[in-house]
This record gives sequence, structure tokens and C-alpha cells, in this order.
Amino acid sequence: AQSVTQLGSHVSVSEGALVLLRCNYSSSVPPYLFWYVQYPNQGLQLLLKYTTGATLVKGINGFEAEFKKSETSFHLTKPSAHMSDAAEYFCAVTRYAGGNEKLTFGTGTRLTIIP
Amino acid sequence: DSGVTQTPKHLITATGQRVTLRCSPRSGDLSVYWYQQSLDQGLQFLIQYYNGEERAKGNILERFSAQQFPDLHSELNLSSLELGDSALYFCASSGVGVLAGTNTGELFFGEGSRLTVL
Repeated sequence: AQSVTQLGSHVSVSEGALVLLRCNYSSSVPPYLFWYVQYPNQGLQLLLKYTTGATLVKGINGFEAEFKKSETSFHLTKPSAHMSDAAEYFCAVTRYAGGNEKLTFGTGTRLTIIP
Repeated sequence: DSGVTQTPKHLITATGQRVTLRCSPRSGDLSVYWYQQSLDQGLQFLIQYYNGEERAKGNILERFSAQQFPDLHSELNLSSLELGDSALYFCASSGVGVLAGTNTGELFFGEGSRLTVL
């Protein structure tokens, strides 16, 4: 079974500062990893995904994440935080690309941006 | 706009009642997933349907049931409602059909149905 652990249920950063949201995964097979964002009163929106190939993946809104197999991590970063980044972020894992596998989500990290 | 439509957006009902949540997946998507999001449990996978058939089951209570119809829309039925069933229920779909070769497991989420049980 796969699982993801998100370290820190709440993270606060100043506007313009680096954003780092941590995610560690557990999987017995090569994982497919995702970061989703949820803005208030909205559904989840895909930020970025890692399937195969390049381990540094870039997503929307300036976010990127690096798949590190040796550390079983898939941390999300953004060089400079913007007020509009305030939201809840979810890391998720699935087994393989096939479209029929459920995503297993982490518990989420609420990001607050300090003006 | 993800292309996934959920109705109703908000629902308030009493304990013991039964409600039905509806989901229309993105055009062409064959898989539909239901998730429950609550403050104490986070995002929990409930059930998945693929082209009308149940494909995977998660933490779905026996009081809950779902189905996917020939037109691919799905309904989640919640019965004998309890206070603890109050949550946001999300539907998501994924493309398998003609895009199977390029599908990478991404789910497209609706905006959710917020259920409040009083």
C-alpha cells in the first residue's frame, strides 16, 4: 500500500520568501506523485505531477517539486511566496499510470502568507 | 473549471435522513471517484467506478452506496445520516478511454458538495 506523509499541518511564510512544503512517500513500487492545491471553498486543482523521467517537475503558479528516490521525498517549493498562494496543499500518491488507480492523499498543509 | 460538475453544492439535512449527491464527470472520462473531506479525517477515498462497474472501495460506510450510470454520471447515496457524516464530498474523474496511452493518473475534481447534518 502507498502512503504519503506531509510534515507540518500549518506553514507560514512572509510574502517574497521561499515556500517549502514537505512530503515523504511510502511505496513498494515506483510511485506516481502529485501535488494538489485547494483554495477556500473550491475543489482540488493539480499543481504538478511526477510520473517518469525528469525528477524536477515544474507546475503552475511558479511551483516545482523534486522527486528524490533515495530520500523518498517529493517536496514542493516556490522561490518567492505571493499572497495568492495562501491555500491548502495536498501531496498524493498512486501506483502507476492507468487512470484506474485511486490517489492516496496526505493530510494537507495549510499555507499562510504573511504580508 | 475542471469540467466535473457536482450537485448540490450545499445540503442541510437532519439525522436519520437520506441524501443523494450527483456527479457528472469530464466529457469522455470513464472513471469516477468519490472522496470525503472532513476536518478530523482529511481526504478519504470512498469508492471508484469505471464505466459503470465498481473498481475499488475505500473507507465507505455500509450506509453509503454509489453507482455509475450508462451516461457515466454517478450518484453517491448517504442514508441514516449521522452528525459525523457532515463533510465535503468530492467527485473526481480521470481519463482512460481514448487518452489511456497518455493518462498519468491525474484526477480532476469537482467543487464538492457540502453536507451538513443537524
